[in-house]
Amino acid sequence: DIQMTQSPSSLSASVGDRVTITCRASQSVISYLNWYQQKPGKAPKLLIYGASSLQSGVPSRFSGSGSGTDFTLTISNLQPEDFATYYCQQSYSDWTFGQGTKVEIK
Amino acid sequence: EVQLVESGGGLVQPGGSLRLSCAAPGFTVSNNYMSWVRQAPGKGLEWVSIIYSDGATYYADSVKGRFTISRDTSKNTLYLQMNSLRAEDTAVYYCARAGRGGYDPFDYWGQGTLVTVSS
Repeated sequence: DIQMTQSPSSLSASVGDRVTITCRASQSVISYLNWYQQKPGKAPKLLIYGASSLQSGVPSRFSGSGSGTDFTLTISNLQPEDFATYYCQQSYSDWTFGQGTKVEIK
Repeated sequence: EVQLVESGGGLVQPGGSLRLSCAAPGFTVSNNYMSWVRQAPGKGLEWVSIIYSDGATYYADSVKGRFTISRDTSKNTLYLQMNSLRAEDTAVYYCARAGRGGYDPFDYWGQGTLVTVSS
């Protein structure tokens, strides 16, 4: 099974900051890496698929990069509505999620 | 508009059974890969099961042999039959559309239904 490890587990940031979350796979997932945002009491929402493709309707301040085993989600100019938990997911071999990164207000 | 609407959650005793439903107005369930994902209270997301458009099914090791995913084409509905339930199956269960290929992301999610396994 492919394990996904996110870092950090949580972070504090201010509105307007640039935030970076990393996700590492235990073996190569090529570029089959997706990012989701989840707010309390709500379902996850797809942000990025295929490591770097922006899902329709998602603001361009969200971006993804990486391939193989190392991936990054970047949020530039953090907005109040971006405070949430973010999950990476590999869809190369079965489907595995990272443990999540909670982005909190500083 | 793509919508997924889960139902069927509730309180069940350990060893009991429950069937979750996921209705999908707006698109055809059988033309897509459809999945179940769960989230235990205060925890992260865990993939549970998937059914391909050709009918093939796959399960996480944690539920294999106890859960069964299926669909009803006439009702355009996805199901998850859960048997031999354990306390550790307590979670919010989400259905999600997984596109039309094995590598696709989960692009639409339902609102979730809570399953509580407790005596």
